[in-house]
Amino acid sequence: GENVEQHPSTLSVQEGDSAVIKCTYSDSASNYFPWYKQELGKRPQLIIDIRSNVGEKKDQRIAVTLNKTAKHFSLHITETQPEDSAVYFCAASKRGNKLVFGAGTILRVKS
Amino acid sequence: DAGVTQSPTHLIKTRGQQVTLRCSPKSGHDTVSWYQQALGQGPQFIFQYYEEEERQRGNFPDRFSGHQFPNYSSELNVNALLLGDSALYLCASSQDRFSPLHFGNGTRLTVT
Repeated sequence: GENVEQHPSTLSVQEGDSAVIKCTYSDSASNYFPWYKQELGKRPQLIIDIRSNVGEKKDQRIAVTLNKTAKHFSLHITETQPEDSAVYFCAASKRGNKLVFGAGTILRVKS
Repeated sequence: DAGVTQSPTHLIKTRGQQVTLRCSPKSGHDTVSWYQQALGQGPQFIFQYYEEEERQRGNFPDRFSGHQFPNYSSELNVNALLLGDSALYLCASSQDRFSPLHFGNGTRLTVT
């Protein structure tokens, strides 16, 4: 079945620096790739998503890139702020919104 | 506009017991999915309901069952609870089977 690997498992950056989280998926039929942010004790919240017909998408300080050939996609956060500290999950789907999630990345932004 | 609401927030059960978790989707959403999130892991897909029928299912045993009501709300039932069923159970709703998921705050189930 589909498998999604996510790296790194933890990431510490200085406030103002950029953060990059990478994911690799196994099923070439996957066509939808969302990213979720989950703060401690709270619900996962969708922060950005991309479909397979697009290579890059930006929303203010957040961007996602997709390389279909290599089957990997990445989340880029620029000018990080303390409130960006959370667990970030990537996911992939080939059948509607049945998502396969990565194991998560704990992002710590040090002020 | 209320988002996805789940009840109860926390639950403690004993091995072998049965549990029912409830979910009300966001207004305007008709599709409900359930996910299990073990501590320190990403959510795992259990199943999805649309038009009161189970449409897709993940790799979970038959002990996990569900239901969707005409008002689109949903229940997740787990029978013969095991210690390994301890997790955060997340409900997510969407406008249809292909739209982004909106998650609820989850139900924290502890099996002792």
